[in-house]
Amino acid sequence: DSGVTQTPKHLITATGQRVTLRCSPRSGDLSVYWYQQSLDQGLQFLIQYYNGEERAKGNILERFSAQQFPDLHSELNLSSLELGDSALYFCASSVGGSESSYEQYFGPGTRLTVT
Amino acid sequence: GQSLEQPSEVTAVEGAIVQINCTYQTSGFYGLSWYQQHDGGAPTFLSYNALDGLEETGRFSSFLSRSDSYGYLLLQELQMKDSASYFCAVQGTDKLIFGTGTRLQVFP
Repeated sequence: DSGVTQTPKHLITATGQRVTLRCSPRSGDLSVYWYQQSLDQGLQFLIQYYNGEERAKGNILERFSAQQFPDLHSELNLSSLELGDSALYFCASSVGGSESSYEQYFGPGTRLTVT
Repeated sequence: GQSLEQPSEVTAVEGAIVQINCTYQTSGFYGLSWYQQHDGGAPTFLSYNALDGLEETGRFSSFLSRSDSYGYLLLQELQMKDSASYFCAVQGTDKLIFGTGTRLQVFP
């Protein structure tokens, strides 16, 4: 158990809909990262937040957005969903900012299925 | 741009030694990490190299050569439970970039 929690574990929704994925980092960690992993693919970095502020952006679509709240939990919002958005979405956390990004602790993931 | 290359699949038998290579091309390099991911599971951190040389952690060792933009993960005394995907990841200036992963299958 990494100490990172993600909800929900599974999500099935239809094209065009909007969903929100939630993540709580390990106690004491200030950075939260979001990744997308499609079938048999690597981990695609989406976005990083550090202590409530956006710190780094990857290949995140405009239809996707995220935020980190004062209690450090984070939410990833996916809108106008398409079939290709079906994937496993991981949240990870690390103690500090980019300097500690090499060691991240991953949550169990949310499996999103868009039908 | 940034790119990482690692073999897609490696097979070995129990008790053997296997090496998973990773070459990278990146602007702004701070270090190379390795993660393990079992099927259906979350990635877990294995090791990190910021300087050239070998880092040993139990049965696993990781090596880095910054001049060659190359690293490897060495797994010794392989066990069935080592069957998993292994990802190298480059720590850049502002994010961690993952390779596409190497699927290791260990046979009895």
